[in-house]
Amino acid sequence: DQQVKQNSPSLSVQEGRISILNCDYTNSMFDYFLWYKKYPAEGPTFLISISSIKDKNEDGRFTVFLNKSAKHLSLHIVPSQPGDSAVYFCAANAGGTSYGKLTFGQGTILTVHP
Amino acid sequence: GAVVSQHPSWVICKSGTSVKIECRSLDFQATTMFWYRQFPKQSLMLMATSNEGSKATYEQGVEKDKFLINHASLTLSTLTVTSAHPEDSSFYICSAGDRLNTEAFFGQGTRLTVV
Repeated sequence: DQQVKQNSPSLSVQEGRISILNCDYTNSMFDYFLWYKKYPAEGPTFLISISSIKDKNEDGRFTVFLNKSAKHLSLHIVPSQPGDSAVYFCAANAGGTSYGKLTFGQGTILTVHP
Repeated sequence: GAVVSQHPSWVICKSGTSVKIECRSLDFQATTMFWYRQFPKQSLMLMATSNEGSKATYEQGVEKDKFLINHASLTLSTLTVTSAHPEDSSFYICSAGDRLNTEAFFGQGTRLTVV
């Protein structure tokens, strides 16, 4: 049972344009969501998070949107840069913070072309 | 952010042998560490939660006798893959946090190849 799903295995974007990565979840108990960036053979690097009491969180070029009624979140990267090319994972937790057991999506490979 | 160091970053071992992976929190005390496993092109799956000074809690389907976890101190947790088989080849990642943090920090991962 995949409780967190990233239905797009890959995304290709031109440098300077917007990248939108999507994530859906099924468990209503999830109340904290995170996005991680990961390079091959490395651990995930935290990017941005959002609590279920918010619908938007912004940090520089990264913005995460949460639609609780649709159980959907998205990560917007504007403007996209070639260095953003990596695998992006969304993750969810039922504990209100990132501390605890995280349930990850399958990941989306983002490629930003110069 | 806090630093979590995982060692080794990669290891190759023969079938039937055991391999130990270390996860250290370098600048904070980790009351809890989490061990994840990632198969190629797949998600990170939680294997177990280890609490300092107590037995680890394993997720359903994870063999506790095969994946031995020890969390003897507030800065070190170890995962030992016993009697390794080729199907154990995977990428193993730890994360650590304490209740004062709102974020869990990940190690750099260990690529295990069993031949």
